Amino acid sequence: QQQVKQSPQSLIVQKGGISIINCAYENTAFDYFPWYQQFPGKGPALLIAIRPDVSEKKEGRFTISFNKSAKQFSLHIMDSQPGDSATYFCAAMSPGNTPLVFGKGTRLSVIA
Amino acid sequence: DAGVIQSPRHEVTEMGQEVTLRCKPISGHNSLFWYRQTMMRGLELLIYFNNNVPIDDSGMPEDRFSAKMPNASFSTLKIQPSEPRDSAVYFCASSFLGVGQPQHFGDGTRLSIL
Repeated sequence: QQQVKQSPQSLIVQKGGISIINCAYENTAFDYFPWYQQFPGKGPALLIAIRPDVSEKKEGRFTISFNKSAKQFSLHIMDSQPGDSATYFCAAMSPGNTPLVFGKGTRLSVIA
Repeated sequence: DAGVIQSPRHEVTEMGQEVTLRCKPISGHNSLFWYRQTMMRGLELLIYFNNNVPIDDSGMPEDRFSAKMPNASFSTLKIQPSEPRDSAVYFCASSFLGVGQPQHFGDGTRLSIL
């Protein structure tokens, strides 16, 4: 499996601050990049996703930035809230009926 | 809409016993995935099915692990015999076939092998 490298492993952010999680990939065939959010005791849930034909996608307080030449993408959470405290996974998928490749996850804690 | 349903939610059993985890995917989805999650290794894909056919089981750690999908609405993951290192949270996910189709995860089975 091709690897997706995610950093940091854990992140502590003050309420109202910006949370930034980064991912890098090697396989240039990847053409779909979702982010999943997981709360304790629950399965991961799709948060937001991007295709490489755009450099940024925003949904509410969540933004994906995508740099195709650097083979990197990141998740930005603006005005972070305690309710955003969760584990976040980046992932990537190749064309065809192939499964997602997940990063190792980032545990985000937003403190008041 | 009912999501992916996994059972049991928790399983505690002794080493050497057979363990069977169950999954009911979302109706209409034609891809099904089994994952294992641990602190050390994160989310690992064990096996996935397209249209009830196993496509890639290279993630299955050993011959002790087996998975079946007898029909579009049911899948099982079996461990026989179980070992303490199999302790993890096991997730089932389903999706429509194709790129960009989001995977929907169940809430997992927390397995503890004593």
